[in-house]
Amino acid sequence: AQKITQTQPGMFVQEKEAVTLDCTYDTSDQSYGLFWYKQPSSGEMIFLIYQGSYDEQNATEGRYSLNFQKARKSANLVISASQLGDSAMYFCAMSYSSASKIIFGSGTRLSIRP
Amino acid sequence: NAGVMQNPRHLVRRRGQEARLRCSPMKGHSHVYWYRQLPEEGLKFMVYLQKENIIDESGMPKERFSAEFPKEGPSILRIQQVVRGDSAAYFCASSLSGTSGGISTDTQYFGPGTRLTVL
Repeated sequence: AQKITQTQPGMFVQEKEAVTLDCTYDTSDQSYGLFWYKQPSSGEMIFLIYQGSYDEQNATEGRYSLNFQKARKSANLVISASQLGDSAMYFCAMSYSSASKIIFGSGTRLSIRP
Repeated sequence: NAGVMQNPRHLVRRRGQEARLRCSPMKGHSHVYWYRQLPEEGLKFMVYLQKENIIDESGMPKERFSAEFPKEGPSILRIQQVVRGDSAAYFCASSLSGTSGGISTDTQYFGPGTRLTVL
């Protein structure tokens, strides 16, 4: 069965520090994609970063990077130099070749302290 | 390039009424997905559509819910005879490619959501 697990319901981080949000996944498919989305208090879902299962390099987008460890089935999101505007819910998600839908983890609420 | 558009942003209905939620995908995207989010939870897949076709409706409740994506116009998620348990945020997403797994064009871009409240 396909599954996404986020074990950190909430995190507090000091502004300007780096933060790592954990995500592990389970799938028997060889071809899959991993995503991170940000949901601020306003409610919209903002796409942050994508990693394909066959990508050899870790994905990076500005201050976001995805630490992809295929053997461990983990896809942690790293935010460098956190900002107050990073306070939000963060969802890890996965698409897999036997379906067209995305499955989501339960989310991590990140709060940045000034 | 406009993103995914959803309307209305907020919708209030009384029990037993009908709710219609609309979604216009990003320009050039022909794959549309609907998800539901209950408070403090992640999104749950409901249905995947291409123009005039339902591809996967494995997440749709068997009764009262329906979805369409006509040749012209937005995708519509319709909930008949709403109940309090239908209160949630409903998100629409669109993608360039519907092929899943390992392809960057799979990326689903989400609209702002419609928050349905059933009184």
